[in-house]
Amino acid sequence: QIHLEQSGSAVKKPGASVRLSCKASGYSFRNFGVAWLRQAPGERLEWMGWIYPYSGLTYYAPKFQGRLSVTTDTSANIAYMDLASLTSDDTAIYYCARETTLGYYFDHWGQGALVTVSS
Amino acid sequence: DIQMTQSPSTLSAPVGDRVVIACRASQPIGTSLAWYQKKPGNAPKLLIYKASNLATGVPSRFSGSGSGSEFTLTISSLQPDDLAVYYCQQYKTYSHSFGPGTNLEI
Repeated sequence: QIHLEQSGSAVKKPGASVRLSCKASGYSFRNFGVAWLRQAPGERLEWMGWIYPYSGLTYYAPKFQGRLSVTTDTSANIAYMDLASLTSDDTAIYYCARETTLGYYFDHWGQGALVTVSS
Repeated sequence: DIQMTQSPSTLSAPVGDRVVIACRASQPIGTSLAWYQKKPGNAPKLLIYKASNLATGVPSRFSGSGSGSEFTLTISSLQPDDLAVYYCQQYKTYSHSFGPGTNLEI
Protein backbone atom coordinates (compact mmCIF):
# COMPACT_ATOMS: atom_id res chain seq x y z
CA GLN A 1 0.00 0.00 0.00
CA ILE A 2 1.01 3.60 -0.47
CA HIS A 3 2.96 5.01 2.45
CA LEU A 4 4.88 8.19 3.17
CA GLU A 5 7.24 7.92 6.13
CA GLN A 6 8.63 11.17 7.48
CA SER A 7 11.71 11.79 9.55
CA GLY A 8 11.30 12.65 13.19
CA SER A 9 10.78 15.84 15.12
CA ALA A 10 13.45 18.51 15.38
CA VAL A 11 14.31 21.36 17.71
CA LYS A 12 16.21 24.23 16.16
CA LYS A 13 17.50 27.61 17.25
CA PRO A 14 16.46 30.80 15.48
CA GLY A 15 18.53 31.37 12.37
CA ALA A 16 19.25 27.69 11.88
CA SER A 17 18.09 25.43 9.07
CA VAL A 18 16.12 22.20 9.14
CA ARG A 19 16.04 19.28 6.75
CA LEU A 20 13.09 16.89 6.75
CA SER A 21 12.77 13.73 4.71
CA CYS A 22 9.83 11.80 3.32
CA LYS A 23 10.33 8.24 2.10
CA ALA A 24 7.68 6.99 -0.28
CA SER A 25 6.69 3.40 -0.93
CA GLY A 26 3.94 1.48 -2.69
CA TYR A 27 3.76 3.56 -5.88
CA SER A 28 5.87 4.91 -8.72
CA PHE A 29 7.61 7.75 -6.90
CA ARG A 30 8.87 9.50 -10.03
CA ASN A 31 5.41 9.93 -11.51
CA PHE A 32 3.62 11.84 -8.73
CA GLY A 33 4.29 15.27 -7.34
CA VAL A 34 5.26 15.58 -3.70
CA ALA A 35 4.16 18.64 -1.75
CA TRP A 36 5.28 19.98 1.59
CA LEU A 37 2.70 21.61 3.85
CA ARG A 38 2.69 22.77 7.43
CA GLN A 39 0.32 23.61 10.22
CA ALA A 40 1.39 26.00 12.93
CA PRO A 41 -0.40 25.89 16.31
CA GLY A 42 -3.92 27.25 15.95
CA GLU A 43 -3.42 27.95 12.26
CA ARG A 44 -4.77 26.44 9.09
CA LEU A 45 -2.83 24.12 6.82
CA GLU A 46 -0.42 25.96 4.56
CA TRP A 47 1.07 24.75 1.27
CA MET A 48 4.78 25.47 1.07
CA GLY A 49 6.16 23.92 -2.07
CA TRP A 50 6.12 21.05 -4.52
CA ILE A 51 8.40 18.92 -6.62
CA TYR A 52 7.83 16.58 -9.54
CA PRO A 53 10.42 13.86 -9.03
CA TYR A 54 10.54 12.79 -12.68
CA SER A 55 11.81 16.16 -13.88
CA GLY A 56 12.88 17.88 -10.68
CA LEU A 57 10.53 20.77 -11.43
CA THR A 58 9.70 22.75 -8.31
CA TYR A 59 7.20 25.41 -7.26
CA TYR A 60 7.36 27.38 -4.04
CA ALA A 61 4.83 29.55 -2.27
CA PRO A 62 5.99 33.19 -2.55
CA LYS A 63 6.39 33.59 1.22
CA PHE A 64 9.01 30.82 1.27
CA GLN A 65 10.94 31.82 -1.85
CA GLY A 66 14.62 32.05 -1.14
CA ARG A 67 14.68 29.99 2.03
CA LEU A 68 12.86 26.81 1.03
CA SER A 69 14.35 24.06 -1.09
CA VAL A 70 12.57 20.85 -2.04
CA THR A 71 14.59 18.05 -3.61
CA THR A 72 14.33 14.33 -4.25
CA ASP A 73 16.54 11.27 -4.40
CA THR A 74 14.72 9.18 -6.97
CA SER A 75 17.04 6.23 -6.45
CA ALA A 76 15.81 5.97 -2.86
CA ASN A 77 12.27 7.34 -3.32
CA ILE A 78 12.90 10.12 -0.83
CA ALA A 79 11.81 13.74 -0.91
CA TYR A 80 13.60 16.37 1.17
CA MET A 81 12.58 19.76 2.46
CA ASP A 82 15.20 22.27 3.57
CA LEU A 83 14.02 25.43 5.31
CA ALA A 84 16.57 28.07 6.25
CA SER A 85 16.66 31.15 8.49
CA LEU A 86 14.20 29.67 10.95
CA THR A 87 12.20 31.87 13.31
CA SER A 88 9.69 31.03 16.01
CA ASP A 89 6.97 31.49 13.37
CA ASP A 90 8.27 28.34 11.70
CA THR A 91 7.28 26.21 14.68
CA ALA A 92 4.77 23.83 13.16
CA ILE A 93 3.97 20.29 12.14
CA TYR A 94 5.35 19.70 8.67
CA TYR A 95 3.75 17.21 6.30
CA CYS A 96 4.73 15.71 3.00
CA ALA A 97 1.88 14.65 0.76
CA ARG A 98 1.46 12.98 -2.59
CA GLU A 99 -0.29 15.12 -5.16
CA THR A 100 -2.70 13.27 -7.41
CA THR A 101 -2.45 13.20 -11.16
CA LEU A 102 -6.05 14.40 -11.37
CA GLY A 103 -5.59 17.75 -9.68
CA TYR A 104 -3.61 19.71 -7.15
CA TYR A 105 -4.97 17.91 -4.13
CA PHE A 106 -3.36 15.32 -1.87
CA ASP A 107 -4.42 11.72 -1.58
CA HIS A 108 -1.72 10.38 0.75
CA TRP A 109 0.08 12.12 3.57
CA GLY A 110 3.05 11.48 5.77
CA GLN A 111 2.51 11.28 9.50
CA GLY A 112 3.92 14.73 10.11
CA ALA A 113 7.05 16.02 11.86
CA LEU A 114 7.07 18.65 14.57
CA VAL A 115 9.68 21.34 14.14
CA THR A 116 10.15 23.57 17.16
CA VAL A 117 12.19 26.76 16.82
CA SER A 118 13.28 28.08 20.16
CA SER A 119 16.30 29.79 21.66
CA ASP B 1 -4.90 35.00 -3.71
CA ILE B 2 -8.02 32.92 -3.10
CA GLN B 3 -9.24 33.01 0.51
CA MET B 4 -11.26 30.14 1.94
CA THR B 5 -13.76 30.43 4.76
CA GLN B 6 -15.73 27.74 6.57
CA SER B 7 -18.79 27.71 8.76
CA PRO B 8 -19.43 26.89 11.45
CA SER B 9 -16.05 26.93 13.18
CA THR B 10 -17.33 24.43 15.73
CA LEU B 11 -20.26 22.06 15.43
CA SER B 12 -21.68 19.77 18.07
CA ALA B 13 -24.19 17.10 17.10
CA PRO B 14 -25.41 13.74 18.41
CA VAL B 15 -24.70 10.39 16.81
CA GLY B 16 -27.09 9.77 13.94
CA ASP B 17 -27.61 13.41 13.07
CA ARG B 18 -27.17 14.88 9.60
CA VAL B 19 -24.35 17.42 9.61
CA VAL B 20 -23.53 20.06 7.02
CA ILE B 21 -20.30 22.06 6.86
CA ALA B 22 -20.04 25.00 4.49
CA CYS B 23 -16.99 26.30 2.64
CA ARG B 24 -16.78 29.49 0.62
CA ALA B 25 -14.10 30.67 -1.79
CA SER B 26 -13.36 34.38 -2.26
CA GLN B 27 -13.60 33.91 -6.02
CA PRO B 28 -15.04 31.20 -8.27
CA ILE B 29 -13.04 27.99 -8.38
CA GLY B 30 -15.34 25.78 -10.43
CA THR B 31 -15.26 22.38 -8.75
CA SER B 32 -11.57 22.48 -7.78
CA LEU B 33 -12.27 21.73 -4.14
CA ALA B 34 -11.23 18.96 -1.79
CA TRP B 35 -12.31 18.08 1.74
CA TYR B 36 -10.05 16.52 4.37
CA GLN B 37 -10.65 14.99 7.77
CA LYS B 38 -8.01 15.49 10.43
CA LYS B 39 -8.05 13.63 13.72
CA PRO B 40 -5.77 14.64 16.61
CA GLY B 41 -2.27 13.32 16.13
CA ASN B 42 -3.01 12.06 12.63
CA ALA B 43 -2.30 13.37 9.17
CA PRO B 44 -5.17 14.77 7.12
CA LYS B 45 -7.21 12.22 5.19
CA LEU B 46 -8.73 12.98 1.80
CA LEU B 47 -12.51 12.62 1.86
CA ILE B 48 -13.82 14.39 -1.24
CA TYR B 49 -12.19 15.69 -4.42
CA LYS B 50 -13.54 17.72 -7.32
CA ALA B 51 -16.22 19.00 -4.96
CA SER B 52 -18.37 15.86 -4.99
CA ASN B 53 -16.25 12.79 -5.67
CA LEU B 54 -15.77 10.37 -2.80
CA ALA B 55 -12.16 9.33 -2.26
CA THR B 56 -11.28 5.64 -2.14
CA GLY B 57 -12.34 3.92 1.05
CA VAL B 58 -14.36 6.81 2.42
CA PRO B 59 -17.74 5.80 3.88
CA SER B 60 -20.76 6.67 1.78
CA ARG B 61 -22.27 8.75 4.59
CA PHE B 62 -19.88 11.50 3.46
CA SER B 63 -20.86 13.57 0.45
CA GLY B 64 -19.85 16.86 -1.11
CA SER B 65 -21.64 19.33 -3.31
CA GLY B 66 -21.33 22.78 -4.78
CA SER B 67 -19.52 24.68 -7.49
CA GLY B 68 -18.28 28.18 -8.13
CA SER B 69 -17.77 29.72 -4.71
CA GLU B 70 -20.11 27.79 -2.40
CA PHE B 71 -19.55 24.22 -1.25
CA THR B 72 -20.83 21.86 1.41
CA LEU B 73 -19.69 18.67 3.08
CA THR B 74 -22.51 16.54 4.42
CA ILE B 75 -22.34 13.62 6.83
CA SER B 76 -25.69 11.87 6.51
CA SER B 77 -25.62 10.00 9.82
CA LEU B 78 -22.96 11.11 12.26
CA GLN B 79 -20.83 8.36 13.80
CA PRO B 80 -18.52 8.52 16.84
CA ASP B 81 -15.52 7.96 14.55
CA ASP B 82 -16.32 11.23 12.75
CA LEU B 83 -14.95 13.32 15.62
CA ALA B 84 -12.34 15.43 13.81
CA VAL B 85 -11.54 18.77 12.24
CA TYR B 86 -12.68 19.13 8.64
CA TYR B 87 -10.85 21.32 6.14
CA CYS B 88 -11.70 22.42 2.63
CA GLN B 89 -8.94 23.17 0.13
CA GLN B 90 -9.11 24.91 -3.22
CA TYR B 91 -6.81 23.77 -5.98
CA LYS B 92 -7.89 26.13 -8.72
CA THR B 93 -4.71 28.11 -8.16
CA TYR B 94 -1.31 27.02 -7.02
CA SER B 95 -1.67 28.61 -3.61
CA HIS B 96 -3.66 25.49 -2.64
CA SER B 97 -5.34 27.53 0.10
CA PHE B 98 -7.13 25.77 2.93
CA GLY B 99 -10.08 26.82 5.02
CA PRO B 100 -9.65 27.43 8.76
CA GLY B 101 -11.32 24.15 9.67
CA THR B 102 -14.56 23.06 11.33
CA ASN B 103 -14.20 21.27 14.63
CA LEU B 104 -16.84 18.56 14.79
CA GLU B 105 -17.81 17.40 18.26
CA ILE B 106 -20.01 14.41 18.85
